[in-house]
Amino acid sequence: DAKTTQPNSMESNEEEPVHLPCNHSTISGTDYIHWYRQLPSQGPEYVIHGLTSNVNNRMASLAIAEDRKSSTLILHRATLRDAAVYYCILRDVSGSARQLTFGSGTQLTVLP
Amino acid sequence: NAGVMQNPRHLVRRRGQEARLRCSPMKGHSHVYWYRQLPEEGLKFMVYLQKENIIDESGMPKERFSAEFPKEGPSILRIQQVVRGDSAAYFCASSPPRVGNTEAFFGQGTRLTVV
Repeated sequence: DAKTTQPNSMESNEEEPVHLPCNHSTISGTDYIHWYRQLPSQGPEYVIHGLTSNVNNRMASLAIAEDRKSSTLILHRATLRDAAVYYCILRDVSGSARQLTFGSGTQLTVLP
Repeated sequence: NAGVMQNPRHLVRRRGQEARLRCSPMKGHSHVYWYRQLPEEGLKFMVYLQKENIIDESGMPKERFSAEFPKEGPSILRIQQVVRGDSAAYFCASSPPRVGNTEAFFGQGTRLTVV
């Protein structure tokens, strides 16, 4: 699997937007960009995914660079409940391996 | 539609005993994945199963660990002769059978403590 690089930690103030970056310079044409998060003492939770175009859902937005070598997860208004580890994962759907490979992620702290 | 159900949520075993962790995937999902998270560490892939088949077990320790996903019933992760280093949170995920890009849904995990 192609690798991703994320900052170890980030801080945000409550009710402000948060931009979580991810670099994936070795991404292949069949790699989708997935984001998951893990709240304390819980299982990972799907956030959003995309291939080339920017994506929006009720949880977040995903902005994908034109060359696809980086992406940004955007939380429009951070709440205290958004404090979690956020994982950026590349998933190649062309092969037989379908598992997610988690890196170390970004620990997001939301300040009241 | 109930989510991925794992039980028990907490399991305490003495060294040398067996641990059996159960995972019921979401309705309609035929793909199951097991992950392990050691204290203060990241999630590590263990095994990927489809009904009655092990597809990828590259992350499974060579000894004492086994997994199955029978035609009927939940997926089982079995750890024989547990040791203190097996203490961790074990997460199960499931995804639907269609080919292509889909998200995985995770359970709340089983926290195994070996004493």
